Amino acid sequence: QVQLQESGPGLVKPSQTLSLTCTVSGDSITTGTYYWSWIRQPAGKGLEWIGRIYSSGSTKYNPSLRSRVTITVDTSMSQFSLKLSSVAAADTAVYFCARVPSFDRFFDYWGQGILVTVSS
Amino acid sequence: QSALTQPASVSGSPGQSITISCTGTNSDVGGYDFVSWYQQNPGKAPKLMISEVSNRPSGVSDRFSGSKSGNTASLTISGLQAEDEADYYCSSYTSISTWVFGGGTRLTVL
Repeated sequence: QVQLQESGPGLVKPSQTLSLTCTVSGDSITTGTYYWSWIRQPAGKGLEWIGRIYSSGSTKYNPSLRSRVTITVDTSMSQFSLKLSSVAAADTAVYFCARVPSFDRFFDYWGQGILVTVSS
Repeated sequence: QSALTQPASVSGSPGQSITISCTGTNSDVGGYDFVSWYQQNPGKAPKLMISEVSNRPSGVSDRFSGSKSGNTASLTISGLQAEDEADYYCSSYTSISTWVFGGGTRLTVL
């Protein structure tokens, strides 16, 4: 059974960089048959796709966040990571990592989510 | 890219059927059969309910069905049950190889 688990600081100061990691278990992140995505959800609001990475390191980002987002993959640790720079209060949200089968375009497995609050 | 448009709320009585719409553009919903639907309960991660417009993953009740016409996709839940009360989100792949979500619909079972 595939499992994804987000980890990282729950509190980030304004203007700093948010850093999160998603650890994948029960499947190999290197099989090359999946995209690995980050999605966020502010409290009481809808879902927003942030970006995705392939095992090769190829990335694609939401145009509205592209200038601030970097997603990387560490296949040796079966992890992929999100960095969001210059954060503000509007970046306060629950951040989810999720898997996308590469020949399909849906999110089949999700992490439980991690709340990140941007506050001084 | 703009969020897909969903009604903020829908409601129905047990046993009834409800439909949630999801409207996009030719660059997302209308351009691809890559519309998916997710159910989200409070404090939980979204759960895939429908993939590729109308495919139901293993384990999802056949009371859930999906369809698409033009730039609008729809999720129908028949034989409404109390356990169906949740938030529902649509998602579509886009012409610029990204994903976009709908704003979400709160389903209330009366």
